[in-house]
Amino acid sequence: AQSVSQHNHHVILSEAASLELGCNYSYGGTVNLFWYVQYPGQHLQLLLKYFSGDPLVKGIKGFEAEFIKSKFSFNLRKPSVQWSDTAEYFCAVAKAGNTGKLIFGQGTTLQVKP
Amino acid sequence: GAVVSQHPSRVICKSGTSVKIECRSLDFQATTMFWYRQFPKQSLMLMATSNEGSKATYEQGVEKDKFLINHASLTLSTLTVTSAHPEDSSFYICSAPQRAGTDTQYFGPGTRLTVL
Repeated sequence: AQSVSQHNHHVILSEAASLELGCNYSYGGTVNLFWYVQYPGQHLQLLLKYFSGDPLVKGIKGFEAEFIKSKFSFNLRKPSVQWSDTAEYFCAVAKAGNTGKLIFGQGTTLQVKP
Repeated sequence: GAVVSQHPSRVICKSGTSVKIECRSLDFQATTMFWYRQFPKQSLMLMATSNEGSKATYEQGVEKDKFLINHASLTLSTLTVTSAHPEDSSFYICSAPQRAGTDTQYFGPGTRLTVL
């Protein structure tokens, strides 16, 4: 069965610090990978996604993620966080071609201190 | 981006009653929608796939008679929690792809259900 593991449950950073959130998945076939963000009081929004091609994916708001197939990882990064990045971040995986059925990681709460 | 709405945003009901939650795609048609459940401090769990014009398909372990799904039109799917119990209290979220066959899901804002 597919599963997704996010290593960090709660991260606290100061503004301008660099961010890396870990995500590993378990699935033997071809997958599509996603990072979603949920700002306080808002619905889930897509940050970025990987389907194929360049394993380094750039998303909105300066976020990027790198797909490392050999490590089954899709870590999220941002060089310099802002207070407005405070939110819940979810990594998700779907079987290629069936991406309505997302398997989510546990989520990481990011708190950025001004 | 595409907009998905849910109604109500929160509902409190008594144990044994039924509650209906609506999910609407506001500016696009969705032949397929998805229902997720999120427990406090936990991740989203896919419950079922709602298919317009046909029966919903449920994930393993989800009781189809308890969580009734009806995809009445290309813009509306409803989830009815029947004979609700306190353990059904949760955050219910729906999603839909803007275009059939695409991989980007747009999520609704969620419905907080509390069963007393």
